[in-house]
Amino acid sequence: AQSVSQHNHHVILSEAASLELGCNYSYGGTVNLFWYVQYPGQHLQLLLKYFSGDPLVKGIKGFEAEFIKSKFSFNLRKPSVQWSDTAEYFCAVNARGTGGFKTIFGAGTRLFVKA
Amino acid sequence: ETGVTQTPRHLVMGMTNKKSLKCEQHLGHNAMYWYKQSAKKPLELMFVYSLEERVENNSVPSRFSPECPNSSHLFLHLHTLQPEDSALYLCASSPGGSGGRGETQYFGPGTRLLVL
Repeated sequence: AQSVSQHNHHVILSEAASLELGCNYSYGGTVNLFWYVQYPGQHLQLLLKYFSGDPLVKGIKGFEAEFIKSKFSFNLRKPSVQWSDTAEYFCAVNARGTGGFKTIFGAGTRLFVKA
Repeated sequence: ETGVTQTPRHLVMGMTNKKSLKCEQHLGHNAMYWYKQSAKKPLELMFVYSLEERVENNSVPSRFSPECPNSSHLFLHLHTLQPEDSALYLCASSPGGSGGRGETQYFGPGTRLLVL
């Protein structure tokens, strides 16, 4: 069965530190990959996505993610985090299943940035 | 504001109550979804509707009953729930029919449900 694994449930960083959140998936076919973010008290929203082409994807607010097909990974990165990046981050994989494409989410990583 | 609204935002109910969650999307999308979000667990897809037809039901207990009267509205009817059903229930929509490749989903703010 398809699955998405996010390595850390919680990450605590100081402002200006670099961020990398891990995401691995299990599926051998063509995938589309997403990172969604949920800021405190707000709805889940798209941060960035990979559909095809350049495996390094740039999203909003200085975030980027790299698709490494051989490692089944789609890690999220940001060179210098801000207090306002405190949120929960969800990796998601869209892949073909029975009946069409399905999107499966990871358990989320809660990021807390100390001012 | 994503164009997906949910009411109520918070709900407390007893195990014998019957209540309904409402979702409305103003984006002209064709697919709508119900998810359950519990702490430290992946988002659990509960139901998918595409063009008002249910296309997915992920082994959800019958105490949860969805209804999609048109492409803009989605309901989740609740009855005789259990305390372990307490969670954040998220509604989402996407442009195409369900099973769209690489489609972004647009989420509502959720209904936080507490079952006593």
